[in-house]
Amino acid sequence: AQTVTQSQPEMSVQEAETVTLSCTYDTSESDYYLFWYKQPPSRQMILVIRQEAYKQQNATENRFSVNFQKAAKSFSLKISDSQLGDAAMYFCAYRSGLQGGSEKLVFGKGTKLTVNP
Amino acid sequence: KAGVTQTPRYLIKTRGQQVTLSCSPISGHRSVSWYQQTPGQGLQFLFEYFSETQRNKGNFPGRFSGRQFSNSRSEMNVSTLELGDSALYLCASRAGTGAGEETQYFGPGTRLLVL
Repeated sequence: AQTVTQSQPEMSVQEAETVTLSCTYDTSESDYYLFWYKQPPSRQMILVIRQEAYKQQNATENRFSVNFQKAAKSFSLKISDSQLGDAAMYFCAYRSGLQGGSEKLVFGKGTKLTVNP
Repeated sequence: KAGVTQTPRYLIKTRGQQVTLSCSPISGHRSVSWYQQTPGQGLQFLFEYFSETQRNKGNFPGRFSGRQFSNSRSEMNVSTLELGDSALYLCASRAGTGAGEETQYFGPGTRLLVL
C-alpha cells in the first residue's frame, strides 16, 4: 500500500519570504501522480499543484513550485513571496496512475502553515 | 460552473442513529469520491463511484455505505452512529472522461458531530 509522510506538522514564514514544505512517499508503482492541496480555515480543499511521475520537469504554478525527486520519493512544495492568504493546512497526496486503477487519493497528515505579517 | 456542493453543511446526531449525506458533483462530472477527515486519522478514503457503480472502497466498516444516482449525485449513509464517526466528510468529483489524469475537485464538506 502506498503511504505519504509529511514530517513537518507546523511551519511558519514571514510575509514575502519563501518556505518549503516536505513530503515523502512510498510506492512500488512507476506511474503515479502527486498533488499538493491547500485547506484554509474555511475547509474547502483546493488543488495547489500537481506532478505527473513520468515528467522530469518540476511543476510550477505562479508562486508555487515543487521539487520532485523520483528516486528519493520526495515531493516538496516551495512557496515564494508568501502572502497572508497562503496560511492554511497543506496536504501532500498520491494517486496511482495504473490504467483502470483506483482514483483514490492517499493523503499525508498535513502541514499547518502560518504566515506572519 | 457551480462547484461541488454538499448538504447539509453541519449535522448533530446521537449514538445509534443513522445519517445520510449528499453530494452534488460539478455539472458533467461522473465520478464522485468520499473522504473522512478527523484530527487523529487525517484524511481517509471511504469510497468512489463512477456511473452509478462503486469502483473502490476504503477500509471502513459496513455501517458506511454509499450510492450514486443516474445524475451523478451521490449519497453516503452511516448507520448505528458511534462517537468516533464525528468528522468532516468531504466529497470530491472529477470528470471521468479517462483522458489522462483528472483533477479531483472538493466540496466544502459536511461536519458531523455525534453525541
